[in-house]
Amino acid sequence: EVQLVESGGGLVQPGGSLRLSCAASGFAFSSYEMNWVRQAPGKGLEWVAYIRSSGGIVFYADSVKGRFTISRDNAKNSLDLQMNSLRPEDTAVYYCARDRGYFDRNGYPMSLFDSWGLGTLVTVSS
Amino acid sequence: DIQMTQSPSTLSASVGDRVTITCRASQSISSWLAWYQQKPGKAPKVLIYKASILESEVPSRFSGSGSGTEFTLTISSLQPVDFATYYCQQYNSYPPTFGQGTKVEIK
Repeated sequence: EVQLVESGGGLVQPGGSLRLSCAASGFAFSSYEMNWVRQAPGKGLEWVAYIRSSGGIVFYADSVKGRFTISRDNAKNSLDLQMNSLRPEDTAVYYCARDRGYFDRNGYPMSLFDSWGLGTLVTVSS
Repeated sequence: DIQMTQSPSTLSASVGDRVTITCRASQSISSWLAWYQQKPGKAPKVLIYKASILESEVPSRFSGSGSGTEFTLTISSLQPVDFATYYCQQYNSYPPTFGQGTKVEIK
């Protein structure tokens, strides 16, 4: 059974930093692309970041580019999201989501999220 | 970015009703569309992908149709466990984007 368990959320002041982690089990983690998707309280879903299975290629939403860094450790079956210069609008539940792994004819990812963790809440407030 | 617009935002229905949710893309996404179900306090769960393919173990009362810019999710006979929020998501091009959600409530 696929399991994704996020951790690391909490309360942080604006301008602060936080590192989220996702522990994966039940599947061949090193073979899958992975993502972070967030959901602000009472709001819809927003994709945040993507990382290729090898870790060599990453993409970010414009709203977090330059502030967030996605990384992975395939030996430890773990996915991380380093969040710096946090803003109140970053307040959300952050989900770790497995990618189905489709690519278009140019090798660009086509991200469909087929397994999700339960999420970890990040609150940015003074 | 491709904008996804769902309608209605909220839908009140009774058990046994046929329910249809519409999702429109701001430009053609071929059939690269997924539908997710999310219950309060839970993670989303994929129901349908490539516009009309049912994910494994999803009940057959769920169906999807459409291509290009207009898509629908239909629940043929609403069950108590189906009261939830439903999101469409395009994966035709980056960044992947979601609709704003449709909450299906008990009438």
